[in-house]
Amino acid sequence: GEQVEQLPSILRVQEGSSASINCTYENSASNYFPWYKQEPGENPKLIIDIRSNMERKQTQGLIVLLDKKAKRFSLHITDTQPGDSAMYFCAASRNNNNRIFFGDGTQLVVKP
Amino acid sequence: ETAVFQTPNYHVTQVGNEVSFNCKQTLGHDTMYWYKQDSKKLLKIMFSYNNKQLIVNETVPRRFSPQSSDKAHLNLRIKSVEPEDSAVYLCASSYTGDQDTQYFGPGTRLLVL
Repeated sequence: GEQVEQLPSILRVQEGSSASINCTYENSASNYFPWYKQEPGENPKLIIDIRSNMERKQTQGLIVLLDKKAKRFSLHITDTQPGDSAMYFCAASRNNNNRIFFGDGTQLVVKP
Repeated sequence: ETAVFQTPNYHVTQVGNEVSFNCKQTLGHDTMYWYKQDSKKLLKIMFSYNNKQLIVNETVPRRFSPQSSDKAHLNLRIKSVEPEDSAVYLCASSYTGDQDTQYFGPGTRLLVL
């Protein structure tokens, strides 16, 4: 299988707190895991990605973790701001496959 | 800065009509994609295409077909639209394949009456 499961579907947090989104994948050959943010009325944009040779990656308040054994990866947003309110999609793909599979998305709402 | 262009922005049509959406990328990428995003914001890949191969998501109805004249263009044709085709259709491109960042266009919103 190639499904990517993403949870939660909706996440409400208070401004300044952290937010975590979790994804699991089925195919152990998957080796590339991007995260996309889609703001209302906009198109999805890549915010961070991680490849299978890494377990952790951090950039500008975003942390992604990858647990290959559990086939699980996650996005953590520290110190959330109202501007972080958006849809977030995880995805997984593997080499020479030319297919990418997206999770169903998480609607993040950051309350002031 | 927009580098993946889609036309039209919106299209309203009736059941059974044929529609065609255009997509052009100016990034020099080798691979282009079409996605369907429904009212629940679910993002489903429909096609990926580079100059070597077309990959079709097997769940895509046969009335959908991609059309490419060169690697910078990938259009989407729907032969006979159905109400469930109402959605936003997003075109994207990436440098080589699915291991690279995907750059999405602004989308074409289709409403089938």
